[in-house]
Amino acid sequence: GAGVSQSPSNKVTEKGKDVELRCDPISGHTALYWYRQRLGQGLEFLIYFQGNSAPDKSGLPSDRFSAERTGESVSTLTIQRTQQEDSAVYLCASSSHRGGTEAFFGQGTRLTVV
Amino acid sequence: RKEVEQDPGPFNVPEGATVAFNCTYSNSASQSFFWYRQDCRKEPKLLMSVYSSGNEDGRFTAQLNRASQYISLLIRDSKLSDSATYLCVVTDLTSGTYKYIFGTGTRLKVLA
Repeated sequence: GAGVSQSPSNKVTEKGKDVELRCDPISGHTALYWYRQRLGQGLEFLIYFQGNSAPDKSGLPSDRFSAERTGESVSTLTIQRTQQEDSAVYLCASSSHRGGTEAFFGQGTRLTVV
Repeated sequence: RKEVEQDPGPFNVPEGATVAFNCTYSNSASQSFFWYRQDCRKEPKLLMSVYSSGNEDGRFTAQLNRASQYISLLIRDSKLSDSATYLCVVTDLTSGTYKYIFGTGTRLKVLA
């Protein structure tokens, strides 16, 4: 596709359930980022993938959060045993390996844990 | 110290005012610099790149001060439609590739 695609766009889940969020980056973009944004708050870095290198997981808030990416393709962010404080918009971005170029965001997945 | 720091605001300014935001970054070797804009309930989008010599795009002027490690964004003649959150972004070169680091944003409200 032409842009970063995320699915689902909205997800309502019950507390304690697991959820899986998907991100399709722009074709050819080696870097992929996941961010969390709570209502009225700034971007909170979660994880960064760069090609086949080991991901930077330093932003994952707990071991309930995990993410995978195979090569330079789709990434999934999994949240296990969801809690109400996990309610947020989860944004994915991708960028080229070349400097000075724009990073593009998907429209996000709005997660509501009830 | 955070890698990229911004005053969260909000900055409340009247229409027609000039407003400026600063952003500081911690890595003196940071390579590229950008300002992104995020409208309410939307994803961030590129506003403008920031070049070493400074650059202007209409009412918007961006400047980079490498010695003091900050970038700035100046908005002249503010419009109601400028109300948004402005995110400062730097890229760091790590192992031959560029990693984007986003600030948490500065919220601007332009008042009628």
